[in-house]
Amino acid sequence: DQQVKQNSPSLSVQEGRISILNCDYTNSMFDYFLWYKKYPAEGPTFLISISSIKDKNEDGRFTVFLNKSAKHLSLHIVPSQPGDSAVYFCAATASANNDMRFGAGTRLTVKP
Amino acid sequence: EAGVAQSPRYKIIEKRQSVAFWCNPISGHATLYWYQQILGQGPKLLIQFQNNGVVDDSQLPKDRFSAERLKGVDSTLKIQPAKLEDSAVYLCASSTDRQSYEQYFGPGTRLTVT
Repeated sequence: DQQVKQNSPSLSVQEGRISILNCDYTNSMFDYFLWYKKYPAEGPTFLISISSIKDKNEDGRFTVFLNKSAKHLSLHIVPSQPGDSAVYFCAATASANNDMRFGAGTRLTVKP
Repeated sequence: EAGVAQSPRYKIIEKRQSVAFWCNPISGHATLYWYQQILGQGPKLLIQFQNNGVVDDSQLPKDRFSAERLKGVDSTLKIQPAKLEDSAVYLCASSTDRQSYEQYFGPGTRLTVT
C-alpha cells in the first residue's frame, strides 16, 4: 500500500533556478512530514520537516509547503546548486505510532 | 559525533543461504530501525526497537527474518533462508527516542541473492 507517492521519478533543472519536488499522501493520520536527501552509496540524510499544524517551513534555500486539504507537500530549493543533485525522499509519519512511510524518491539533477 | 555504522557494506549469497547484518547506532540513541530498500522504491520499515524491546515488527517477514538488540545498543538482522526477492539495501537508522521523528541512517548493506 503506497501511502506516500512521489510521482516524478526524476527532475532536471538549471543551476540557479528553482527545483520543486512534489509528494502526495493518502493517510489522514499522518501529522509529520520529512524530506530526506540521498547520495549514491550513502544512507538518506534528514533535510527538512514540517508538522501538520504548519503550512510552511523554511531553512535557508529549502522550503517545504504542506497543503493538508489536498494531502500534498512540496519541497522548493532556491537557488538550485549542482551539489543538490541527489535522490530526494518524502516521508510521513503519524505521531501515534511513529511508523515512517517513504515515497519512492525523485532523482534531482542540477546542471551547471 | 560518530554516525550509524553498518557492516558489511556488500554481501552476495545464493538463495537458501543465511546472512546477517550488523548495526551500531549513534551513542545514546534509544530507538533503532531496520529498513529494506528495494531498487526503485523508498525504504520500508521492517522492525523498530526501543532500547532492547521490539516496538513494531508488523512488516517483518517473520518466517525468514529475525532481529535482535540484546543490550539496547548494537543490533543484528538475519535472513534465513534467503530468497531472490530479498535482494535490496538494508538500512539501519537510529533516533534519540520514539518521539523524535528525525532518524539518522547508516550507509546500508547491499544484499544480492543469486
